[in-house]
Order: sequence, then structure tokens, then C-alpha cells
Amino acid sequence: AQTVTQSQPEMSVQEAETVTLSCTYDTSESDYYLFWYKQPPSRQMILVIRQEAYKQQNATENRFSVNFQKAAKSFSLKISDSQLGDAAMYFCAYRSGPFGNEKLTFGTGTRLTIIP
Amino acid sequence: GAGVSQSPRYKVTKRGQDVTLRCDPISSHATLYWYQQALGQGPEFLTYFNYEAQPDKSGLPSDRFSAERPEGSISTLTIQRTEQRDSAMYRCASSASLNTEAFFGQGTRLTVV
Repeated sequence: AQTVTQSQPEMSVQEAETVTLSCTYDTSESDYYLFWYKQPPSRQMILVIRQEAYKQQNATENRFSVNFQKAAKSFSLKISDSQLGDAAMYFCAYRSGPFGNEKLTFGTGTRLTIIP
Repeated sequence: GAGVSQSPRYKVTKRGQDVTLRCDPISSHATLYWYQQALGQGPEFLTYFNYEAQPDKSGLPSDRFSAERPEGSISTLTIQRTEQRDSAMYRCASSASLNTEAFFGQGTRLTVV
């Protein structure tokens, strides 16, 4: 079974600075997807960024980028120019590839605080 | 609809009662998921549907939990004889097909007293 570990229960960053959230995972599969979801105080779940394991290039979405290290099974999220609206719980998630299980496996989350 | 809609948003029930939660996915989305999220934890998979088929219900914690999607659109999650440990946020998500992005609803917060 796959597992996802987020070792930082809480992080804080000054507004406009850069912060990196860590995520590691364990799998024996070679084809899979990785995601970062944001859960603001409204408790909605919002997809931030997605990475396909077969792609060597790290995904980027505006101020959000990932550092995907497949051999190390590491998938960190970097938030540049942090904004007050970035304050939320961030969940890392794993899903098997096209012919595998459909379910998302989530980590326990990292609560990000933005300091004005 | 424009997004995934869940009802009710909040439900308080007495221990031993049955509850039914509803999910209305994004129109035309084939795949629908149910997750359970305890306070301070990440969501945990319960089950999913591909249209009306239910290929995986391995995450349902006991036979008190069941889900249906009879016409391949709206889905319900029923918990029979609720227990306090069932208190959690129940989240529904849908995706256009297998292996595409899942969009989550606002969730139903269930409290069993």
C-alpha cells in the first residue's frame, strides 16, 4: 500500500517570502501521479498543482512549483512571493497511474501561516 | 451543476440513528468519490463509482457504511446505526473520467452525539 508523509505539521512564512513544504511517499509503482491540495479556512479542497511521475520536468503553476525527486520519493511544494491568501492546510496526495487504483492517498497535512 | 454540491452541509445526529448524505457531482462527470476526513487529518478514501458501477469499496470502514449511485449521477452515502467515531467531514469529489482531475465539494460535517 502507498503511504504519504508530511513531516511538518506547521510552517510559517513572512508575506512576500518563499516557503517550501515537504512531502515524501512510499510506493513500489513506477507510474503514478502526485498532487498538492490546499484547504483554506472555508474547508474547501482546491487542487494547487499536479505532477506525473513519468515527467522529469517539475510542474509549475504561477507562484507554485514542485521539486519532484523520483528516486528519493520526494515531492516538495515551493510557494514564492507568499500572500495572505495562501494561508491554509496543504495536503500532499498520491494516486496510482492509469491502470492502477483510482483512490487518492493523502498525507496528514501542513498548516501554513502567513505573517504580515 | 457548476461544482460538486453536497447536502446537508452540517448534520448532527444521535448515536444509533441512520444518516444519509448526498452528493451531486459536476454534470457529465463519470467518476465520483467519497472520502472521510477526521479533524486534523487528511481525507481517507471510502469508495468510488464509475458511472453506476462501484469498482472499489475497500475503504468503507464497516458494513454500516454503504453508498449508491443508481443512475450514474447523484450519489448517497448512508451510515447505519451511527457511532461517535463516525463524526467527521465527509467529502465527495467527481472527475470527468478515470485518471483526470478530481474536484471536491464543500463536504458534510457529521457530528454524532
